[in-house]
Amino acid sequence: AQSVTQLGSHVSVSEGALVLLRCNYSSSVPPYLFWYVQYPNQGLQLLLKYTTGATLVKGINGFEAEFKKSETSFHLTKPSAHMSDAAEYFCAVSRDSSYKLIFGSGTRLLVRP
Amino acid sequence: GAVVSQHPSRVICKSGTSVKIECRSLDFQATTMFWYRQFPKQSLMLMATSNEGSKATYEQGVEKDKFLINHASLTLSTLTVTSAHPEDSSFYICSASTVVRNTEAFFGQGTRLTVV
Repeated sequence: AQSVTQLGSHVSVSEGALVLLRCNYSSSVPPYLFWYVQYPNQGLQLLLKYTTGATLVKGINGFEAEFKKSETSFHLTKPSAHMSDAAEYFCAVSRDSSYKLIFGSGTRLLVRP
Repeated sequence: GAVVSQHPSRVICKSGTSVKIECRSLDFQATTMFWYRQFPKQSLMLMATSNEGSKATYEQGVEKDKFLINHASLTLSTLTVTSAHPEDSSFYICSASTVVRNTEAFFGQGTRLTVV
C-alpha cells in the first residue's frame, strides 16, 4: 500500500526566506509524485509532478522538488517566500498515471511580513 | 490548463434531504473522475473512482448507497449525498483525468456541504 507523510502540519517563514516542506512516501512500485496547493475554500492546483526522468522538478510560482529514491522523499522548496505563497500544501502519490491519488495530511505555510 | 467546474460551490441542506453535486469537464472528455472528501483542517480522502458508463468503484468504508455516483457522460459526473446528516458536512472535491491528457488530473473548485 502507498502512503504519504508530511512532516509539520504548520510551517512559518519570513517573507524572503527559504521555504522547505517535507514529504516522504512509501510505495511498492516506482511512484508518481505530486505537490498541490490549496487556497481557502478552493480546489487544488498542481504545483509540480514527478513521473520519470530528471529527479529535480521545477514547477509553477518558483517552486521545485527533488525526487530522492534512496530517501523516499520529495521535498518542496522555494528560495524566497512571498506573502502570496501562504496556503495549504499537499504532497500526493499515485502508483500509475491514473491519477488515483493518495494525499498526505497537508502542511499549512504561513508567511510572516 | 483544462477546466473542471464543480457546482454548487456551497450548499446548505436540511437533515434527511438529498443533495446533488455536479462535476463537469468543460474543455476535455474525462474518462475517469475521482471524488474526494476533505474534513476541516485535514487531508483529502478518496471516496470513489468513476469511469464513464460503468459503476463507480468505492473505497473501503465509503457507503455506496449513501454517496451515489453517476458518470453518465464523458463530461459529467454527479455525486448525490442521500438522506444527509450533519456528519456528512464536509468539503467535496472532484477531479477529472483523461487518457488523452494522461499526464494530469484537473480538480474542481470544491463544494462546501453543510447539513443542518
